[in-house]
Amino acid sequence: GEDVEQSLFLSVREGDSSVINCTYTDSSSTYLYWYKQEPGAGLQLLTYIFSNMDMKQDQRLTVLLNKKDKHLSLRIADTQTGDSAIYFCAEIKGSQGNLIFGKGTKLSVKP
Amino acid sequence: DAMVIQNPRYQVTQFGKPVTLSCSQTLNHNVMYWYQQKSSQAPKLLFHYYDKDFNNEADTPDNFQSRRPNTSFCFLDIRSPGLGDAAMYLCATSRDRDEQFFGPGTRLTVL
Repeated sequence: GEDVEQSLFLSVREGDSSVINCTYTDSSSTYLYWYKQEPGAGLQLLTYIFSNMDMKQDQRLTVLLNKKDKHLSLRIADTQTGDSAIYFCAEIKGSQGNLIFGKGTKLSVKP
Repeated sequence: DAMVIQNPRYQVTQFGKPVTLSCSQTLNHNVMYWYQQKSSQAPKLLFHYYDKDFNNEADTPDNFQSRRPNTSFCFLDIRSPGLGDAAMYLCATSRDRDEQFFGPGTRLTVL
């Protein structure tokens, strides 16, 4: 496909793990990113992964990359109510290095 | 703290009345970007500057212009805002077309 695809909604209970999935478009993308956006705020870079890696762990966050399927996932361990936000997957595309975003996954964390 | 600053955070303008949004950065990054984000949508790149070189996206309306008088500042000018231009406008910077750092955004309302 031509778009970065993400499911639009995810609801989990506090303390559970959250897994947000993304399918990107360009197999030559060098970096893939996860951004977090809280209501009314800008985008906060959460983590990124270089295309020659298949996993990256950063505290509660684990990023998995399957280059063959162009599939990226973000796992948040021990999800807290403060993790409620919209999570955007993004890839670098083209010679200009433009970021192409998915539509975002809205994560709701129930107490 | 080094950061990306956007002013104002909220801007109200009238239909057809020119408006300017401001972005400044203390990161000394080469690249500055402007994105438009409508409700429940992914951020969409309007244009970017690499140093003084202006790069316009093909589908950015002529109504949108930008200026970068120096490394630190970049402005978004909307010459004749329409109701469809109401959105969050996000400024971002990167050192060299790599990891992008976003400001908090300016929410534009058109009456």
